Amino acid sequence: EVQLQESGPGLVKPSQSLSLTCSVTGYSITSNYWGWIRKFPGNKMEWMGYISYSGSTSYNPSLKSRISITRDTSKNQFFLQLNSVTTEDTATYYCARWTFDYWGQGVMVTVSS
Amino acid sequence: DVVMTQTPVSLSVAIGQPASISCKSSQSLVGTSGKTYLNWLLQRPGQSPKRLIYLVSKLDSGIPDRFSGSGSETDFTLKISRVEADDLGVYYCLQGTHFPYTFGAGTKLELK
Repeated sequence: EVQLQESGPGLVKPSQSLSLTCSVTGYSITSNYWGWIRKFPGNKMEWMGYISYSGSTSYNPSLKSRISITRDTSKNQFFLQLNSVTTEDTATYYCARWTFDYWGQGVMVTVSS
Repeated sequence: DVVMTQTPVSLSVAIGQPASISCKSSQSLVGTSGKTYLNWLLQRPGQSPKRLIYLVSKLDSGIPDRFSGSGSETDFTLKISRVEADDLGVYYCLQGTHFPYTFGAGTKLELK
């Protein structure tokens, strides 16, 4: 069974970087595409980007140059880094397979001083 | 970006009654492959989103056939033939045809 699990700090200070890890079991990340999605307070959802089986990436232009998705194939993990965060980046962050059929449980990140 | 206009914002339905959610996209969701990448997700309280339907009308494994999806081009509908208590939560449409992928604003289904 494919399982995804996010991990990372729940509190980040404004202007710093947010870094999260998604650990995948039951499926190799060198197959398929793997992405990050966030849900803001309220119901708004935003697709952030993905990393492909080959390591190429695609990002939501709304995040401009602040986002980076990388991976460690030896650990079957992929990572999200979001730079220069503001309070508007406060959200629950999910990792998911790009077909949206498998999701992690989500990690709530608050940006606050 | 493709705007997904989802209605209604909330829906109050009695157990055993039908429910319907609409999702309209600002441009056609037919991709270059000829496929239409329109998904429906349900997020139950305290859980992560769960995909119910993909490619407009294909039910995911384990999803009861009380759920059905239909539509084409820019106009899509999710129907529940008989609502059960387990159906409560927020429903989202999600398009995966055009970058960046975009979600509807969500429809909260509550019990009457």
